[in-house]
Amino acid sequence: GAVVSQHPSRVICKSGTSVKIECRSLDFQATTMFWYRQFPKQSLMLMATSNEGSKATYEQGVEKDKFLINHASLTLSTLTVTSAHPEDSSFYICSASGTSGGRYEQYFGPGTRLTVT
Amino acid sequence: QKEVEQNSGPLSVPEGAIASLNCTYSDRGSQSFFWYRQYSGKSPELIMSIYSNGDKEDGRFTAQLNKASQYVSLLIRDSQPSDSATYLCAVNPRYGQNFVFGPGTRLSVLP
Repeated sequence: GAVVSQHPSRVICKSGTSVKIECRSLDFQATTMFWYRQFPKQSLMLMATSNEGSKATYEQGVEKDKFLINHASLTLSTLTVTSAHPEDSSFYICSASGTSGGRYEQYFGPGTRLTVT
Repeated sequence: QKEVEQNSGPLSVPEGAIASLNCTYSDRGSQSFFWYRQYSGKSPELIMSIYSNGDKEDGRFTAQLNKASQYVSLLIRDSQPSDSATYLCAVNPRYGQNFVFGPGTRLSVLP
């Protein structure tokens, strides 16, 4: 299967600072990338969908000015959590979808655990 | 609204038994279907994909698809404690569209 990387895997930051998370598809061109958030023992929550070169589409209730998404190329998307607060502490997971071996599939990155103190 | 439903569990099976995980979806025109496994504290991992009616086997895993009944299942033979995880069913309604995920079924394989 395709490989999606995320960096950093874990980050601790102080309240009020901003954190940038990178998501890269390493061996296929991702037409679409997704950002999810997952709180402990809860389901994946889709935050936004981004296509290369265009603005991200945010899910209802997700603040686009707080969670900045940039999808500069077919292999890289970034999520910046601006002015982070303790309630933003969560597990952030990106995924990439595209055609691999003639099939349209979606692969997840390993996730970034954000702790805001 | 496109929906994917799963029993949240937990589903408990003894080691060596067959675990059967089920999923139903609402969009009759859906094209492709996936099973992801998510261990606690980790991100989901794609373990099976199925595109046509019938069974698809990969090692101890068998995915079954019945489009007429809008039903997808995953069978895990010879279940091992290492199979204990949450299993997510996902449906791709149309090529290029967003995947729709179910809430996941938590499987516990008891030694």
